[in-house]
Amino acid sequence: AQSVAQPEDQVNVAEGNPLTVKCTYSVSGNPYLFWYVQYPNRGLQFLLKYITGDNLVKGSYGFEAEFNKSQTSFHLKKPSALVSDSALYFCAVRDIGRGSTLGRLYFGRGTQLTVWP
Amino acid sequence: DVKVTQSSRYLVKRTGEKVFLECVQDMDHENMFWYRQDPGLGLRLIYFSYDVKMKEKGDIPEGYSVSREKKERFSLILESASTNQTSMYLCASGYRGGGRYSPLHFGNGTRLTVT
Repeated sequence: AQSVAQPEDQVNVAEGNPLTVKCTYSVSGNPYLFWYVQYPNRGLQFLLKYITGDNLVKGSYGFEAEFNKSQTSFHLKKPSALVSDSALYFCAVRDIGRGSTLGRLYFGRGTQLTVWP
Repeated sequence: DVKVTQSSRYLVKRTGEKVFLECVQDMDHENMFWYRQDPGLGLRLIYFSYDVKMKEKGDIPEGYSVSREKKERFSLILESASTNQTSMYLCASGYRGGGRYSPLHFGNGTRLTVT
């Protein structure tokens, strides 16, 4: 079965500092990995995805994620955090099995990022 | 841009009521999903649909049903609302093209309170 783990419920970082939000995954087969962000009282917004290719994936708002197959990780990173990056971040893995599973996403529990001025 | 619209942002219902949550997407996506979001539990899949009149159970379908009579609309039904169904409900849509699935596009959510 597919699953993702976000080991930190909260991450706090000062504005201007680099940030990392951690994610590890468990899949059978090749992983399709995603990061989403949720601002207060809003739905989830797609940030970036890893399907294949370069291990460093660039996404929206200056975010990037590093895929590490040996460590089964897909950590979200940003070189310089902004206060406006404060939000709830979700890592997800796609089930690419055949039949009725049809590409559903399995989400982690979320990590609340707070960037303080 | 893809737009996924959930008909209500906030909803308050009484225990035992039948509740309808509506979701409409404007991009002709085949796949639609209903998740519920609870603090500390992340998103859990209730039901999904990959075509009109088709539905599949997710991880927590008990107490819920769905309807997909038209491609753009996917309704979640709480047959008899209970307080443990108080939650944020998120609808999402996506498609498959070129052998790959698109990222999911989410609505803004419906925060349901059952009293």
